[in-house]
Amino acid sequence: EAGVAQSPRYKIIEKRQSVAFWCNPISGHATLYWYQQILGQGPKLLIQFQNNGVVDDSQLPKDRFSAERLKGVDSTLKIQPAKLEDSAVYLCASSSKTLSGANVLTFGAGSRLTVL
Amino acid sequence: AQSVTQLDSQVPVFEEAPVELRCNYSSSVSVYLFWYVQYPNQGLQLLLKYLSGSTLVESINGFEAEFNKSQTSFHLRKPSVHISDTAEYFCAVGMDTGRRALTFGSGTRLQVQP
Repeated sequence: EAGVAQSPRYKIIEKRQSVAFWCNPISGHATLYWYQQILGQGPKLLIQFQNNGVVDDSQLPKDRFSAERLKGVDSTLKIQPAKLEDSAVYLCASSSKTLSGANVLTFGAGSRLTVL
Repeated sequence: AQSVTQLDSQVPVFEEAPVELRCNYSSSVSVYLFWYVQYPNQGLQLLLKYLSGSTLVESINGFEAEFNKSQTSFHLRKPSVHISDTAEYFCAVGMDTGRRALTFGSGTRLQVQP
């Protein structure tokens, strides 16, 4: 099966500019996640969607970050305006439930953002 | 709330030597546990998982991890490492309600030297 697709792979912008990242999950996966991975750290959840509804966005900086998942498939993560500390890799993942009820996540290759 | 602690940020080891990457977790409910591997400029790949049943789980490339509930640990081991095992390894925990996202540790960089 095709994996999780993300674009762009790399983006360099200046602070206060805006940027958008796109994610296409594995077909049939109802749950989609955006994680932020700062250099040298583990991934941190930004937002979780179930179909096109938000399950958890408690760690999303809502003054500058927004995300949507139209029609329960593709998703877009936007940052406006960007700050230097937003430099990170933005990872998209999708999951389906196993028979035991666990969510097993499959990740895309990530979008690396550098804010100058 | 759940959390994951990876006790070593870097583990240098010689090729063909054994290795253990340590992971401890805290959670107020039953958990699922995962190890993911990340090669440079790539996303995370699932290495192995504990969902239920046998507490010893294995991957296809020789890694194994054992779920120890009393010690709240899920350490990753390999009896003989290869140069190609050089990567960042992340331990992750999910709650058995299954609805929430995984919480990741800060990662351990395994550096295999010839």
